[in-house]
Amino acid sequence: GESVGLHLPTLSVQEGDNSIINCAYSNSASDYFIWYKQESGKGPQFIIDIRSNMDKRQGQRVTVLLNKTVKHLSLQIAATQPGDSAVYFCAGDSFSGGYNKLIFGAGTRLAVHP
Amino acid sequence: EAQVTQNPRYLITVTGKKLTVTCSQNMNHEYMSWYRQDPGLGLRQIYYSMNVEVTDKGDVPEGYKVSRKEKRNFPLILESPSPNQTSLYFCASRQGINYGYTFGSGTRLTVV
Repeated sequence: GESVGLHLPTLSVQEGDNSIINCAYSNSASDYFIWYKQESGKGPQFIIDIRSNMDKRQGQRVTVLLNKTVKHLSLQIAATQPGDSAVYFCAGDSFSGGYNKLIFGAGTRLAVHP
Repeated sequence: EAQVTQNPRYLITVTGKKLTVTCSQNMNHEYMSWYRQDPGLGLRQIYYSMNVEVTDKGDVPEGYKVSRKEKRNFPLILESPSPNQTSLYFCASRQGINYGYTFGSGTRLTVV
């Protein structure tokens, strides 16, 4: 069935390094993708999105790359800070079961060490 | 401030005692959805609504009900809660398809 998954459950980085979180999706019809950040005790928070007609989108210290050929997207965080420690989810929007739904991956925990 | 508000934040209840978790959004969003989050299982959709009086089942609807009588409100009802419904619940809303969801702060429910 459809899935949106992440390659690694936990990613540890040093403060100041760049972080890359990867995500694979199975539905080639997915046309919209989002990255969320979830801090402990809080709801998921929108970080950045990308539509399927784009390969790359940049925000403040974050970049999302979309490779439709291999059905893969990644979130790059530049100069990772302790405040970036959280669980990161990718989600893909696609038409499934008669309606458009957002499918979430299981999440990657990013741990930033001083 | 644009937000999704859900209440209560924490709830401990006993098996079989009906409960309602409220959800309200002030962004005039068409779409609203309920998710539950369990360790290792990520976010799973319970029910969603595309507009007033339009609701449908998500991936894990068993044991839950919803209603959408007004655009801003989307309560989640557990008629007879069971321990396997112990979870962290999130309400979310979005403007439409191909837009991101805005999530509430979550309701941690424990059913004993």
